[in-house]
Amino acid sequence: GAVVSQHPSRVICKSGTSVKIECRSLDFQATTMFWYRQFPKQSLMLMATSNEGSKATYEQGVEKDKFLINHASLTLSTLTVTSAHPEDSSFYICSAEARQGKNYGYTFGSGTRLTVV
Amino acid sequence: DAKTTQPPSMDCAEGRAANLPCNHSTISGNEYVYWYRQIHSQGPQYIIHGLKNNETNEMASLIITEDRKSSTLILPHATLRDTAVYYCIVSLTGNQFYFGTGTSLTVIP
Repeated sequence: GAVVSQHPSRVICKSGTSVKIECRSLDFQATTMFWYRQFPKQSLMLMATSNEGSKATYEQGVEKDKFLINHASLTLSTLTVTSAHPEDSSFYICSAEARQGKNYGYTFGSGTRLTVV
Repeated sequence: DAKTTQPPSMDCAEGRAANLPCNHSTISGNEYVYWYRQIHSQGPQYIIHGLKNNETNEMASLIITEDRKSSTLILPHATLRDTAVYYCIVSLTGNQFYFGTGTSLTVIP
């Protein structure tokens, strides 16, 4: 089945540094990927839509200069959290659409837990 | 914004059927109903989706009312590993997913 791989699964960084999270579609091509953020005991919140070869579309209230998204190929999207602060600590999840017969839908990565200290 | 309403939590006895309801009264004609679940600290897992007709797969059944304003996800024989947060999502194919608060299902031994 369609697999989305996210790396790293956990990362701890110092306040003020930048962190890059990778999202790869392993056995399919994804022209569009989505990035979510999830705080403890809350639901997933859509941050942005990542479009291959063009600029990402950000949801209202999400700072595009802080959360840099690059979708340079059909199998890779990256999210860079720039100048990270403790309030950016969260669970970040990506997803992509994979059409395989009847069971198409969005496949999600396993998530990246970011802790900013 | 999420267009669905789900009860915040439910319990189900192991081996019994779990019926999880979802209201989506503002659903439009071309929007699908998707169900995903999330086990703690993992990414959401696809369960099933449908447009108008009831659907069944190896994991679950999806019952959509005739007016499409609500649906029910049925796990026929719940196991302890089905304990998770279940999300009902309404969306057009290829569009963004907006998650609601979901239902936290606890399967009790």
